[in-house]
Amino acid sequence: NAGVTQTPKFQVLKTGQSMTLQCAQDMNHEYMSWYRQDPGMGLRLIHYSVGAGITDQGEVPNGYNVSRSTTEDFPLRLLSAAPSQTSVYFCASSSPRAARTEAFFGQGTRLTVV
Amino acid sequence: KQEVTQIPAALSVPEGENLVLNCSFTDSAIYNLQWFRQDPGKGLTSLLLIQSSQREQTSGRLNASLDKSSGRSTLYIAASQPGDSATYLCAVRGSQGNLIFGKGTKLSVKP
Repeated sequence: NAGVTQTPKFQVLKTGQSMTLQCAQDMNHEYMSWYRQDPGMGLRLIHYSVGAGITDQGEVPNGYNVSRSTTEDFPLRLLSAAPSQTSVYFCASSSPRAARTEAFFGQGTRLTVV
Repeated sequence: KQEVTQIPAALSVPEGENLVLNCSFTDSAIYNLQWFRQDPGKGLTSLLLIQSSQREQTSGRLNASLDKSSGRSTLYIAASQPGDSATYLCAVRGSQGNLIFGKGTKLSVKP
């Protein structure tokens, strides 16, 4: 039972580089989201998706893109990495009836931008 | 805009003590509230989920209560153990389905 899988676990980028953080879930959840966690700031929502082909912005979307071509996958793209994007990134998913069910989180991707 | 506050930010107790962690939220129009545990360098582990229509949920030594009208939830940990040391996060789910998190309470249980 894999749950929510994030790759990579660690990444170091140079300023200006681009990369994609991968997130996959095997629970047939329609709702998926990306958060970033920073010291003193807590977890903040970046982007979310309520189903394949549907995405929307969260609280801190600037500098990030998402797409949702399948139910299982929800990648997060950094277009041009900046030191301010140094953070720990978490992907989460929950069932189609998102209001009633618990959210499951991946183990996180620790990103450092130098 | 929904805001979630957790008090205290940090707590240190001796082993065996019963303790209460507090969570408050500004908008009572929530679908549910979820308590998580996070160990250093790790992901979030779900502890308890309380629906908006429920008053409390229990799992082992953990009991979470919800008073939606006053915008409060508490997580009660009985007979604390050193293995309970972690950061505890409270999150509320609103109408859009998104979770809004508090900043957490860092718990240290001393042997």
